[in-house]
Amino acid sequence: AQSVTQPDIHITVSEGASLELRCNYSYGATPYLFWYVQSPGQGLQLLLKYFSGDTLVQGIKGFEAEFKRSQSSFNLRKPSVHWSDAAEYFCAVLSGYSTLTFGKGTMLLVSP
Amino acid sequence: NAGVTQTPKFQVLKTGQSMTLQCAQDMNHEYMSWYRQDPGMGLRLIHYSVGAGITDQGEVPNGYNVSRSTTEDFPLRLLSAAPSQTSVYFCASAGQVNQPQHFGDGTRLSIL
Repeated sequence: AQSVTQPDIHITVSEGASLELRCNYSYGATPYLFWYVQSPGQGLQLLLKYFSGDTLVQGIKGFEAEFKRSQSSFNLRKPSVHWSDAAEYFCAVLSGYSTLTFGKGTMLLVSP
Repeated sequence: NAGVTQTPKFQVLKTGQSMTLQCAQDMNHEYMSWYRQDPGMGLRLIHYSVGAGITDQGEVPNGYNVSRSTTEDFPLRLLSAAPSQTSVYFCASAGQVNQPQHFGDGTRLSIL
């Protein structure tokens, strides 16, 4: 069965510093991968997706992610974090019939 | 274009009561899903539908019923609410099987 692991429950980054959130997946075929962001009390917003092709994908809000098949990873990155990026981030894999299997999330805290 | 609309946004129930969480989308999407979000657990799939009249169970279906009589609506029913069903519920839809899902804003449900 497919699964997604986000090893870090919480991460604290200084404003202006770079960010990398880790995501590892388990899936038999070529995965379709997503990163979503959720601000407190809000719904989920799609940051970016990987379906095929270029392994470095660009998303909204200055985020990017790199798909590495050999490491079963899809890590999210941003070169310079802003205080407004503080939120919870979820990695997910498409599981069939347009349903998603999510990781447990990483809470990003941004310090001044 | 409203997207995915969930009602109500908040609800408090007593143990044993029944309730229907409403989900409607105006994008003519065939694929719809219900997830629950609990702290530290990410989002877990409850039920999903691949079109009107077709539904199936997800990871955590116990205690919930669904039906899909129209393309637009996908209600989630709690027949006899239990405190373990206290959660935030998200409805999502997608137009094609391998496309990202659009999420509603969620229903925050507390069961006393």
